[in-house]
Amino acid sequence: GQNIDQPTEMTATEGAIVQINCTYQTSGFNGLFWYQQHAGEAPTFLSYNVLDGLEEKGRFSSFLSRSKGYSYLLLKELQMKDSASYLCAVRDSNYQLIWGAGTKLIIKP
Amino acid sequence: GAVVSQHPSRVICKSGTSVKIECRSLDFQATTMFWYRQFPKKSLMLMATSNEGSKATYEQGVEKDKFLINHASLTLSTLTVTSAHPEDSSFYICSARRGIGGMSYEQYFGPGTRLTVT
Repeated sequence: GQNIDQPTEMTATEGAIVQINCTYQTSGFNGLFWYQQHAGEAPTFLSYNVLDGLEEKGRFSSFLSRSKGYSYLLLKELQMKDSASYLCAVRDSNYQLIWGAGTKLIIKP
Repeated sequence: GAVVSQHPSRVICKSGTSVKIECRSLDFQATTMFWYRQFPKKSLMLMATSNEGSKATYEQGVEKDKFLINHASLTLSTLTVTSAHPEDSSFYICSARRGIGGMSYEQYFGPGTRLTVT
């Protein structure tokens, strides 16, 4: 079966750095996505990786290792507004998005 | 960036009635639209995939006669929850993908519709 694992919840301090990991086992691979979702709102696109390596976009970076079935989202200089759920999703061989359960990130002052 | 709208954002209906939710891509043509359902503290569950002008493909366990999906144009898809029951109360989110087949990598999400069935 297809499976995506990410931690259920993480806590970090304002101004610090946090890394959210995601491991996946899917039928084929056509890219990995990270989305941010605030409570009661729809997800918003953060990043897309299809090749191995690090993609940096401002305070957020995303890393992919296809051989290990592993990705992480790195958030720097954390702000209170970063408190949200972070969803990892993989596009499989049928170009369907397979979703992780999401990681709830709690930022403390 | 691409914008997807949903209407209504919130709806309360009585058990047994039907509710229609609209999803529109405002500044691009969406060849494929997706309907998701999300339960509290749960991830997104894909309900169905619709391509413009053809019948929707429903995921296993989703009743196609209960959740009617119409993708009549490249900018509009509708989800109708028929004979709604309290257990249908949920957050319904649509997303749209532009491009042909899987060549476009981004899916753009609508803001979601909170359905409450009393």
